[in-house]
Amino acid sequence: AQSVTQLDSHVSVSEGTPVLLRCNYSSSYSPSLFWYVQHPNKGLQLLLKYTSAATLVKGINGFEAEFKKSETSFHLTKPSAHMSDAAEYFCVADISGGGADGLTFGKGTHLIIQP
Amino acid sequence: DAGVIQSPRHEVTEMGQEVTLRCKPISGHNSLFWYRQTMMRGLELLIYFNNNVPIDDSGMPEDRFSAKMPNASFSTLKIQPSEPRDSAVYFCASSQGRSVYGYTFGSGTRLTVV
Repeated sequence: AQSVTQLDSHVSVSEGTPVLLRCNYSSSYSPSLFWYVQHPNKGLQLLLKYTSAATLVKGINGFEAEFKKSETSFHLTKPSAHMSDAAEYFCVADISGGGADGLTFGKGTHLIIQP
Repeated sequence: DAGVIQSPRHEVTEMGQEVTLRCKPISGHNSLFWYRQTMMRGLELLIYFNNNVPIDDSGMPEDRFSAKMPNASFSTLKIQPSEPRDSAVYFCASSQGRSVYGYTFGSGTRLTVV
């Protein structure tokens, strides 16, 4: 079955330390992959996207993600966490073959930043 | 661009009442999506339109839910009659063609049915 799995429902890090949010996908096609962030009571904001160009993708606010086909992963990282990074993060994939028929969302990872 | 605009931001209604949620997509985007977000089920795609035509409404939970897109700049999601289990945040998103470009989401409508 085609799916997106976020391996951690909650991740807690101290301010200034690295962030790693894990995501794996399952697809019959080469997917397009995205990370979205949702701050409390806000909509979803696109952080970055992979669309079969460079495997290391840089996004906004210092985030980046690396597409690893052999591991079917698209983990999100940031070298140094900031308090404002506390939010819900969604790994999202177009695993339908490219048609405009909706994206598949992971369940989300709640990122907690400790002062 | 003002982004995807949804209204109202919050809606509290009594069970049995009709609820209409509104969305204005980004100008030039030809695909529009309605999502529902709850703690239990996460984000669910309800329906999407391409060039104002409903393409897939298999995510619409029941006949109580209906969606329309009369023109390229406006869409509605209607629930009639509403029930407490419909309480959720409803997001509208739009994109330009294929989803590989990513979607732009509105800020959502938080619906509470009492």
